Amino acid sequence: GAVVSQHPSRVICKSGTSVKIECRSLDFQATTMFWYRQFPKQSLMLMATSNEGSKATYEQGVEKDKFLINHASLTLSTLTVTSAHPEDSSFYICSARDRVGGTYNEQFFGPGTRLTVL
Amino acid sequence: GQQVMQIPQYQHVQEGEDFTTYCNSSTTLSNIQWYKQRPGGHPVFLIQLVKSGEVKKQKRLTFQFGEAKKNSSLHITATQTTDVGTYFCAGQKGGSEKLVFGKGTKLTVNP
Repeated sequence: GAVVSQHPSRVICKSGTSVKIECRSLDFQATTMFWYRQFPKQSLMLMATSNEGSKATYEQGVEKDKFLINHASLTLSTLTVTSAHPEDSSFYICSARDRVGGTYNEQFFGPGTRLTVL
Repeated sequence: GQQVMQIPQYQHVQEGEDFTTYCNSSTTLSNIQWYKQRPGGHPVFLIQLVKSGEVKKQKRLTFQFGEAKKNSSLHITATQTTDVGTYFCAGQKGGSEKLVFGKGTKLTVNP
């Protein structure tokens, strides 16, 4: 159980285009999903916290107009990188918390999306 | 803001040797979590520590949470090649859903 999927796993796009990344909780409902960015050989940097049915909470320094987050249902959150530029190239990972909570409040991570902007 | 420091950044060991990674938070935590990320993979939850001074074991892995709930450690006894990967600690403050990750310790094990 507690599987999170991400799509696509890898995307290459031209500078100026927009890219949408989907994050789905497959076997549980996730009230809260998180979007992280991970640079090579570095830690995970939280970009935003996404709550179902409400606006995302962005971390300081993250442009909300550039990284659009939509959490339309308890199993799906999307991250759209608008007008992507080469500096947006990175590994984007989502995670989700089980709505029920369970014993722990751990986050279940998706497999990540490797974005390359040419 | 809250910071979580983790050392060492890299650790190379011979198979069979022990390994320890340390985590220190600038603020008191409600809990600390540990994740493992294999090369090319995504972080996978290992354990959560909640109580002051808590010690938990998972086979060859021993996790500790400091008395002040600001530091933690992960110790692996007799490493195996399957232990390779990056180990992250992640701290959570009371009242917040956010996890603040340490920079991770990348472990390589020479057979």
